[in-house]
Amino acid sequence: EAQVTQNPRYLITVTGKKLTVTCSQNMNHEYMSWYRQDPGLGLRQIYYSMNVEVTDKGDVPEGYKVSRKEKRNFPLILESPSPNQTSLYFCASSLGSGPNQPQHFGDGTRLSIL
Amino acid sequence: ILNVEQSPQSLHVQEGDSTNFTCSFPSSNFYALHWYRWETAKSPEALFVMTLNGDEKKKGRISATLNTKEGYSYLYIKGSQPEDSATYLCAFTNGNNRLAFGKGNQVVVIP
Repeated sequence: EAQVTQNPRYLITVTGKKLTVTCSQNMNHEYMSWYRQDPGLGLRQIYYSMNVEVTDKGDVPEGYKVSRKEKRNFPLILESPSPNQTSLYFCASSLGSGPNQPQHFGDGTRLSIL
Repeated sequence: ILNVEQSPQSLHVQEGDSTNFTCSFPSSNFYALHWYRWETAKSPEALFVMTLNGDEKKKGRISATLNTKEGYSYLYIKGSQPEDSATYLCAFTNGNNRLAFGKGNQVVVIP
């Protein structure tokens, strides 16, 4: 089944404790992206990747890191999480190296930073 | 940051009625406009991606139009059903490899 898989789905953690949210897709998509969803705000793009070893900042990259060592994986890293990073996070992927194709979203990861 | 506006923010529709809502985006450097359907407790699902001025797309009772010169897209739901209750998101890209989403149109269909 074609899908984007995020782990974990839910996480409660404390300020400053490094965490990684994994994202994997099995559709051989080139473009991958991370978004966060906060009440009253639309989905905001954190980072995106056009292909292996090619990543770039979205609109809200502060406090996050990503890597794209393999085509299928695009982990989101919070080196020193803070409470303002409490949010619902989505990973998405699409065909082609740009966002002109439909995005396939994972099920989301709800992070709570205490 | 690209400004994508959706209106109205929320609307209630009687079952069987038709409705529509608007997505406004920058009219310069247009590349693509996306529409997604997002049900509560699920992830957004793609409805349409439109790239040409005048594009019209249809999926069942849902259709969309695109005007890139004036920077807007309409989404229409014909004969609304309770299962159409969701938030509808539009997203815009100007070819800079980023995707900017609006805040969504929340639709509640009243049986």
